[in-house]
Amino acid sequence: DVKVTQSSRYLVKRTGEKVFLECVQDMDHENMFWYRQDPGLGLRLIYFSYDVKMKEKGDIPEGYSVSREKKERFSLILESASTNQTSMYLCASSSDIGYSNQPQHFGDGTRLSIL
Amino acid sequence: AQTVTQSQPEMSVQEAETVTLSCTYDTSENNYYLFWYKQPPSRQMILVIRQEAYKQQNATENRFSVNFQKAAKSFSLKISDSQLGDTAMYFCAFMKHSITGGGADGLTFGKGTHLIIQP
Repeated sequence: DVKVTQSSRYLVKRTGEKVFLECVQDMDHENMFWYRQDPGLGLRLIYFSYDVKMKEKGDIPEGYSVSREKKERFSLILESASTNQTSMYLCASSSDIGYSNQPQHFGDGTRLSIL
Repeated sequence: AQTVTQSQPEMSVQEAETVTLSCTYDTSENNYYLFWYKQPPSRQMILVIRQEAYKQQNATENRFSVNFQKAAKSFSLKISDSQLGDTAMYFCAFMKHSITGGGADGLTFGKGTHLIIQP
C-alpha cells in the first residue's frame, strides 16, 4: 500500500514564525501536492511538484513556499505564519505510470494552529 | 478554471438504505477525470471511485456506483445498502488530463457532503 506520512498530526505555532510541514511518500511517486482544508471550503491546492526541484503554484500559493530536494520528500513552508493560515494541511502523491493520470494518495493531515 | 459544486452540505439516512450524493462541475476541458473521496473522522482521505470522461460506462466499486452525465456535467455517487462505516465527509473532485500523466495539475474539490448513516 502507498504510504504518505506527514511529520506532525497537530502543530501549534506563533504568528511571525517560520513553519515547516514535512511530507514523505514511500512509493517513488513523481508528483506531490499540498492542500489546505477548511470547513465549508473543501480542499484547495496550494502547491504541487512533478519532479525533484520543480514546483508549480496551485490556487492559493500566497504566503507559502515549497521545497522538493529529494523525490520522496515535499515540504511546505509558511514564511511568516499568520492566524489566517490556521487550517488542516493535507499532503498527497501520485505516479505517472501509464500516463493515465493516476489517483492521488493522501496523508493523515496536519492540523496547524497559529496563535 | 474548473469548479465543482456539491449542493448538499449534509445528508442523513438509515442503515441499509440507498443514498445518492450530487455533484456538478464546470469545465471547458474535454479530457478529464472525476473522483469521489471519502474522509472519515480519522481524517484519512480515501479514494472511493474514479471515472474517466472518455468512458461512457459508469464506474462501479462494490456498493458504490456513479451516474456520470457528461453533457449535463453531473457526477453523482450512489451508495447502496449503506453501512454505519459509510459515515464520513464525501468530496467530489475534478482533474483535467495532463499530457505528462500522473495528475500533475492537482485536484479541484467540491466543498463536501457530510453523510451520516443512522443505526
